[in-house]
Amino acid sequence: DAKTTQPNSMESNEEEPVHLPCNHSTISGTDYIHWYRQLPSQGPEYVIHGLTSNVNNRMASLAIAEDRKSSTLILHRATLRDAAVYYCIRLSNTGKLIFGQGTTLQVKP
Amino acid sequence: DTGVSQDPRHKITKRGQNVTFRCDPISEHNRLYWYRQTLGQGPEFLTYFQNEAQLEKSRLLSDRFSAERPKGSFSTLEIQRTEQGDSAMYLCASGRDQPMDEQFFGPGTRLTVL
Repeated sequence: DAKTTQPNSMESNEEEPVHLPCNHSTISGTDYIHWYRQLPSQGPEYVIHGLTSNVNNRMASLAIAEDRKSSTLILHRATLRDAAVYYCIRLSNTGKLIFGQGTTLQVKP
Repeated sequence: DTGVSQDPRHKITKRGQNVTFRCDPISEHNRLYWYRQTLGQGPEFLTYFQNEAQLEKSRLLSDRFSAERPKGSFSTLEIQRTEQGDSAMYLCASGRDQPMDEQFFGPGTRLTVL
């Protein structure tokens, strides 16, 4: 199962937007892209998902490239509570989540 | 909606002992997943149930591992003859009907094998 590729870590300042990139060059036409995040000592938490078009919800926005080989999770105004490991995940057709190592986001006050 | 619960939260055992973990998914969620997470790594898929049927198992799930979901509600994960390499966080997640539906994770069971 091919995993996605993300930077190991990123930093942001509080109240600023954050763009978390993800490469998924081997994605197939029917694979959804899901983003989850994991705060310290907690289970992962769903953030957002999409297939082809950009998506918005109360937590974040997801921008998917036209060729679907990459996507970007956008947190519009980072808060200290957004510090977590963010996982970009290729969803299999059975729904199993194929996690990579994720991006550790640090938010500085 | 009380969320996914897992029991116990922590388990310390000696090598060679058997352990069993329980997961109570969100009620009426048909899909139930087990994952394992070691320190510094993302979770790895172990197995998946649709109602009471176990539909997929990872190659990570050796013969010492068995999972059940007898009535399509709670699930158990048993590890026989534990080894030190089994030390990890065991996470359970549940989801509604469709594969692309979000998964709700429990807090996990942390297993330490001495």
